[in-house]
Amino acid sequence: AQSVTQPDIHITVSEGASLELRCNYSYGATPYLFWYVQSPGQGLQLLLKYFSGDTLVQGIKGFEAEFKRSQSSFNLRKPSVHWSDAAEYFCAVGPSNFGNEKLTFGTGTRLTIIP
Amino acid sequence: ETGVTQTPRHLVMGMTNKKSLKCEQHLGHNAMYWYKQSAKKPLELMFVYNFKEQTENNSVPSRFSPECPNSSHLFLHLHTLQPEDSALYLCASSSNPGASSYEQYFGPGTRLTVT
Repeated sequence: AQSVTQPDIHITVSEGASLELRCNYSYGATPYLFWYVQSPGQGLQLLLKYFSGDTLVQGIKGFEAEFKRSQSSFNLRKPSVHWSDAAEYFCAVGPSNFGNEKLTFGTGTRLTIIP
Repeated sequence: ETGVTQTPRHLVMGMTNKKSLKCEQHLGHNAMYWYKQSAKKPLELMFVYNFKEQTENNSVPSRFSPECPNSSHLFLHLHTLQPEDSALYLCASSSNPGASSYEQYFGPGTRLTVT
């Protein structure tokens, strides 16, 4: 069965500092991997996704993530955070074949930005 | 309207009421999803519809009854709910898994409170 672990429930960083959010997955085949962001009271917005090819993926809002098969990880990074990045971040592992539409989400990491 | 819309955005209902949540997608997708998001828990997939056919029922209690009349509309009918059903209910849509364009697009959610 597929699963996702986000080991950090809450992270606090200073504005302008770098950020790395961790994600480890378990999946029997080549995974599709996603990072979503959720602002308070809102739905989830896709930041980036990995299907195949280059293991370093660029997303929106200056985020990037690196797929490391050997470590079963897909960590999200940003070189310099802005106060508007404060939100909840979800990693997800998903279907790679037609007929299995299920995405499995991690429990999320809440990001707080301090001035 | 663009993307995925959900109505109402907020709903308060008593345990004996009957209400419905509505979701509409304007993206031409064929798959639609209901998720439940409770505090301190991972996103829980409830139902999946693909080409109007239900392909996943994640052991959801019968007091939740989904309906998908066409690929653009999804409803969640609610009756005799319990206080623990209070949560944010998110709708999503997607194209077919396996396509490089695959991702789930989320609506803003309906915040449900059962009194």
